[in-house]
Amino acid sequence: GENVEQHPSTLSVQEGDSAVIKCTYSDSASNYFPWYKQELGKGPQLIIDIRSNVGEKKDQRIAVTLNKTAKHFSLHITETQPEDSAVYFCAASIKGEDDKIIFGKGTRLHILP
Amino acid sequence: KAGVTQTPRYLIKTRGQQVTLSCSPISGHRSVSWYQQTPGQGLQFLFEYFSETQRNKGNFPGRFSGRQFSNSRSEMNVSTLELGDSALYLCASSRDSTYEQYFGPGTRLTVT
Repeated sequence: GENVEQHPSTLSVQEGDSAVIKCTYSDSASNYFPWYKQELGKGPQLIIDIRSNVGEKKDQRIAVTLNKTAKHFSLHITETQPEDSAVYFCAASIKGEDDKIIFGKGTRLHILP
Repeated sequence: KAGVTQTPRYLIKTRGQQVTLSCSPISGHRSVSWYQQTPGQGLQFLFEYFSETQRNKGNFPGRFSGRQFSNSRSEMNVSTLELGDSALYLCASSRDSTYEQYFGPGTRLTVT
């Protein structure tokens, strides 16, 4: 079955700097890669996603890149702000088959003042 | 548009008891998935329902079960609770498997 590895587990960056979180997946059939942000006491919130027919997607300060050959995908957050502090999860699934999502273990992002 | 709602938000049960959790998906969404979140294991897929049928199931024992009603609302049941079942149980909904999933706030279950 699918396995998603996520690194680093903890990341501290200075406010205004960029943050990068990296993930790898094992199942070449995976075609959908969402990223979720989870704040304390809340459920995961979808912040951006990418499908396998696209190499990069950007939404304001957030971007995601996908390398299908290497089975890598990454989240980039630029000009980080205090409200970016949260736990971020990458995930992979096979859209069109069912809604089963396999998640990475999460990255706790700290934005330092 | 209202988001995914889950009830109750918090629950304390005793080992050996059973529990039923409820999830109301976003209006128009027909797929409901359940996940268990623990500090040690992270987010793990339990099962998914679409149009009242279980479409996929994760690697959990038979004590974990679920169902979906004709209005797409879903319930999950855990029988013979164990201490290790203490977790945040999350429900997510989508229109169908080609669309993105949105999560509810979760039900925090504590087993004592």
